[in-house]
Amino acid sequence: GAVVSQHPSRVICKSGTSVKIECRSLDFQATTMFWYRQFPKQSLMLMATSNEGSKATYEQGVEKDKFLINHASLTLSTLTVTSAHPEDSSFYICSARRKGQGGELFFGEGSRLTVL
Amino acid sequence: QQQVKQSPQSLIVQKGGISIINCAYENTAFDYFPWYQQFPGKGPALLIAIRPDVSEKKEGRFTISFNKSAKQFSLHIMDSQPGDSATYFCAARRSGGYQKVTFGTGTKLQVIP
Repeated sequence: GAVVSQHPSRVICKSGTSVKIECRSLDFQATTMFWYRQFPKQSLMLMATSNEGSKATYEQGVEKDKFLINHASLTLSTLTVTSAHPEDSSFYICSARRKGQGGELFFGEGSRLTVL
Repeated sequence: QQQVKQSPQSLIVQKGGISIINCAYENTAFDYFPWYQQFPGKGPALLIAIRPDVSEKKEGRFTISFNKSAKQFSLHIMDSQPGDSATYFCAARRSGGYQKVTFGTGTKLQVIP
């Protein structure tokens, strides 16, 4: 099966610092990766869509300068939360769509961000 | 605006019973309807999916029923087991473009022995 790895799985940082989360497709090439945010006991909310080699497309209400997304290769996308604040604390999940497939998404295990 | 409505919010089922979760959508541009299972602290995992040209799909104990005219679809878990206790999300994928997936609000299922 296709595996999507996220790192780190948990991160705690001080308010005002920046945090980078990596999303890697381990055994397939991903043309498109999606970043979701999930608050406790809530659904997944799409934040942005990233395509290899192009700028990310952000959903309405998501600050692009706050959540920097880079899709440097067909196997790696990164989300950087800049100048993090306590309200940015959440569970961030990435998903990847396999190149050439009919659209199946494979999800990472998620990254728990806690901003103190 | 919630594009995919899901109910119930929570569900308690006896072991061996049938768990039923319902979803409804508005956007006719959706062309693929997956169901995901999520355990606490983990990412969602695909359980089963259906396309709108099929009215029912069964995989093991899991069945999706799809009513295109009513824009509704449901997940049935037969012979529910304690290991099925998790949060279930229905979802809908938009055709074209980046084929974004919109999630329902989730149903927390608890299967009691």
